[in-house]
Order: sequence, then C-alpha cells, then structure tokens
Amino acid sequence: QKEVEQNSGPLSVPEGAIASLNCTYSDRGSQSFFWYRQYSGKSPELIMFIYSNGDKEDGRFTAQLNKASQYVSLLIRDSQPSDSATYLCAVNSWGKLQFGAGTQVVVTP
Amino acid sequence: GAGVSQSPSNKVTEKGKDVELRCDPISGHTALYWYRQRLGQGLEFLIYFQGNSAPDKSGLPSDRFSAERTGESVSTLTIQRTQQEDSAVYLCASSFGTHYEQYFGPGTRLTVT
Repeated sequence: QKEVEQNSGPLSVPEGAIASLNCTYSDRGSQSFFWYRQYSGKSPELIMFIYSNGDKEDGRFTAQLNKASQYVSLLIRDSQPSDSATYLCAVNSWGKLQFGAGTQVVVTP
Repeated sequence: GAGVSQSPSNKVTEKGKDVELRCDPISGHTALYWYRQRLGQGLEFLIYFQGNSAPDKSGLPSDRFSAERTGESVSTLTIQRTQQEDSAVYLCASSFGTHYEQYFGPGTRLTVT
C-alpha cells in the first residue's frame, strides 16, 4: 500500500465548475498536510496547507481534512483554464513529506 | 523575499563524470530537502537536513550520491560517476522546520549522456 494515494486522473472539469481532488494516507501519526500545484516542466508550488480537522479556505481553494478517515481533499471553485496542472497531495510523516503521485486536472473552456 | 534558488538550472554531463548541484534555501529556513523527479514520475525523497545535520539519508539511491550543508545555508548534492539513470530534475525545498510547509526551488535538470 502506498503511503499517500491519489487518483491519477486526468480529471476533466468544465470552466467555472468545481474540481474535487481526493487523497488518502496511511500514517495515522501525520500532523500536517499540503497541496501543491505543478505545471508541466515547472517545480511544485504550494497552494494550501492544513493542520487541523475541518475546512480551510483560501480564495477559490478549500482544503478539507478528516484525520479519523485519513483523508484530505482539495476543492477548486470556479475552475479556470490556468488551473490545468497536476495537483500533488503531501503528508508530513516523521519529518519528511510523502507525496502522492498527483492528479492531473484539465479545465476545458 | 527571495525564494529557494538552485544552480545550475541545466547540466549536461557525460556518463562517469561527477556533478555538483547547489541549493540556496530561503533565509531563516532551518530545514532543507532534496528530491528527484524523473520524467513523468512523482517526487522521490533523497535526503533532508535540519541545520547542518542529516537525520534522514534513507532516500539516497546509492553511495554515489552524497550531500552536505554548511550551517543553515547552502547545500550541495554530489553525484559521483554519473549514470544515465541519474538523468532527472533535482529539486530542493526549504522550510522553517520539519513539520512546516516546504517551498521548492526551480530545480536542476540533469542529463547524463
């Protein structure tokens, strides 16, 4: 079992719709959780981090964390073509980040 | 402020040569991480530093790989006797501490011919 699992996609989302990305993790002791966006040929860019159960909103992005279910999600509202990228879920485990393989999101005009 | 910087941005080397990759973390960040990303693949953890000590070297793929860090500043990743399978983008990240968000540099694209 991989330590951090994400659907690989591609997730096709119409422009203006909500993109919903999911991530599960195996280490119950994990305390911090991150979402990164990676455009093709570029390095990962931090877009959200969350440490407590519940929702955290920042602009068009909402991160949701449920430690009991070992589940993290990212919602992108009003999706734009510029949101087309690979989204990486990362979980801090023993001081280092474990990354999922990423979900490719394609926003179609 | 200034982000994480890495040099060189691109490096082409012949098989068997040694290469040094450099990372300058964000000022004040005590933790520094090295990752590798092969074409079309996910991020592979290599090593991290807390200050100038390396508590976790578990991701280094072989003894040809080594890294060092001077204080809470620059780090170098050295690959000796490069092989074609070492071709990848090498990414560096830094953070305030090991449980905080990491910020990535632009990466060094290494091509071994």
